Formats: sequence, C-alpha cells, structure tokens
Amino acid sequence: GAVVSQHPSWVICKSGTSVKIECRSLDFQATTMFWYRQFPKQSLMLMATSNEGSKATYEQGVEKDKFLINHASLTLSTLTVTSAHPEDSSFYICSVSSGNQPQHFGDGTRLSIL
Amino acid sequence: QKEVEQNSGPLSVPEGAIASLNCTYSDRGSQSFFWYRQYSGKSPELIMSIYSNGDKEDGRFTAQLNKASQYVSLLIRDSQPSDSATYLCAVRIGSARQLTFGSGTQLTVLP
Repeated sequence: GAVVSQHPSWVICKSGTSVKIECRSLDFQATTMFWYRQFPKQSLMLMATSNEGSKATYEQGVEKDKFLINHASLTLSTLTVTSAHPEDSSFYICSVSSGNQPQHFGDGTRLSIL
Repeated sequence: QKEVEQNSGPLSVPEGAIASLNCTYSDRGSQSFFWYRQYSGKSPELIMSIYSNGDKEDGRFTAQLNKASQYVSLLIRDSQPSDSATYLCAVRIGSARQLTFGSGTQLTVLP
C-alpha cells in the first residue's frame, strides 16, 4: 500500500496565487521529509529537506521565502508556493524516509500557473 | 564530475531481451544504493535497494554492486514494453539523510 500521501495531485491557478501542497507519511513517523521539483524531461531537483519541529534546510538557489515549508508533526509536511508565477509551474514531489531505508515518494503535484 | 552518473540514453531493447542499466558514483563513502523507476508524468517508485557488494535478485530484476569500481547496475531480464520508463540510480553518501540521484536512463522496450 501507499507509504506517502500527497495532495492535491493537480493544481491550476492564476498568477499571484499561493498554493499549498501536503505530504503525509502513512506508515511511519518521518522526522525528515524531502521536497523535489521536476521540470519536463529533466531530472529530480532537491529543493529542501523538511525537519520536524525545526526549520527546513534549503538547497542552494531555492528561495526560502518563496517556498515555505512547515513540518509541524511527524506525519505531515507542507510546501507553500507563495505568489506563484508561470515559471513556478512544475511537478512537485515529496518523499519520506526513516533511518537507512530508501526514500518513498508521494504521487506528486502538478502545478500549472496561468 | 557529477556525484552520480548515468547514461541518459535513450536505450532501446527488443521485448524479451536483457536491459542493462549502469550507474557510477564518485564518493567512496557511499553506503546505500537504490534503483527507482519513473514512468512519464508519474513520481519515482522504488524497485531495488542494495547495500553490499555482489548481486541481488528480485524477480526479473538484478542489482549488481561493485564498491571497488564504484558502480552499480540494474539488469532487467525478459524485458517487457511495460518496463519502458526512466530508471533513476540513487546513492546515500555516508550518513546523509538525503539521496543523491543520477539524471536517469530512459529505457524503451520495443514490442
């Protein structure tokens, strides 16, 4: 069964809108969750590491004020794309892992900004 | 040099053949190795993990790890058109929480 639940799966909205994406760990308590972005025909790009109860760690070049991450519980992390613009249109995917285990990915959220 | 390198392909094999996917990594501190499959428009799904040198078999899939030569490979036997996807190699370096992904190899199995 699914290890990770991510929703919404698809968002279409106007430029300037803020969009929140939720990622839930279903099988275990995840102290760490990861947020990725993938543009068409390109590889996964790690955006940030979400840490439960503390600030997220952002990768170089990712604006932390643009992509707000909240990991308030051991099973839920949210990514908010603030004031989204067409260039933010992408496939956003979260993943969870525990210890040395592999990462399990959510189904992803396809974001289209008009 | 990229930390994890894969031939981007595309790699085409006929149905029923063995598909061989290769991955090399640069950090000798790498401890854990994973293969993910990603269908177009979908998120990656884990198909194999391998932690020690040698071969690991799971159904039609065999992962091979050679830490001395710093490569990990994935063999798909009796390839099916449904195996057509992008295959991502991922490595955990040392005690890092995140995985480092290769750019993926696109595989097409021709019926």
